[in-house]
Amino acid sequence: GAVVSQHPSWVICKSGTSVKIECRSLDFQATTMFWYRQFPKQSLMLMATSNEGSKATYEQGVEKDKFLINHASLTLSTLTVTSAHPEDSSFYICSGRDVPNEKLFFGSGTQLSVL
Amino acid sequence: DQQVKQNSPSLSVQEGRISILNCDYTNSMFDYFLWYKKYPAEGPTFLISISSIKDKNEDGRFTVFLNKSAKHLSLHIVPSQPGDSAVYFCAASPSLTFTGGGNKLTFGTGTQLKVEL
Repeated sequence: GAVVSQHPSWVICKSGTSVKIECRSLDFQATTMFWYRQFPKQSLMLMATSNEGSKATYEQGVEKDKFLINHASLTLSTLTVTSAHPEDSSFYICSGRDVPNEKLFFGSGTQLSVL
Repeated sequence: DQQVKQNSPSLSVQEGRISILNCDYTNSMFDYFLWYKKYPAEGPTFLISISSIKDKNEDGRFTVFLNKSAKHLSLHIVPSQPGDSAVYFCAASPSLTFTGGGNKLTFGTGTQLKVEL
């Protein structure tokens, strides 16, 4: 199946710093990339949807200035958590949509811990 | 408001027996349902799906049943194998295709399946 490579797999940072998470679709063109967040014992929650070359659409309650999403190419999307705080500590995961078959392929996720 | 619920956080089954994972939903607009499997340190991978026009879909050892009136679906794995041990997520969408408003998947919290020898 198609592969989405997500890096880093885990990151620890100090409060107030910014963290960038990358997702690359390795063998398909992901015109749409979805970013999810999962808190412990909760479900994956959609944060935003990004389409290549246009601004991301954020879900209600997600701050667009805090979670910057860039989808500049068909194979790369990035999520930057700006001025991270401990409450941003979570598991972040991306998924790319393979247009021909409408399937979603997920990255392996990034565990973010903000001290 | 948890629109997709997996009330069993964990399930333990003996190898060769049937595993039944359950999922309930509250939003009547959902008409496409998916199951994903997730191993540790990996992303979820698609397993099987079902559209609301069907009540059963089978793929090898995996069968998904949908009861629309009860807003309930279940995943049956027969026979269960040790390699099936993983977290299983139920997900729902208002549309079969991921276009327009149908691109939002709502996930359950997952069920950890352990298949024992």
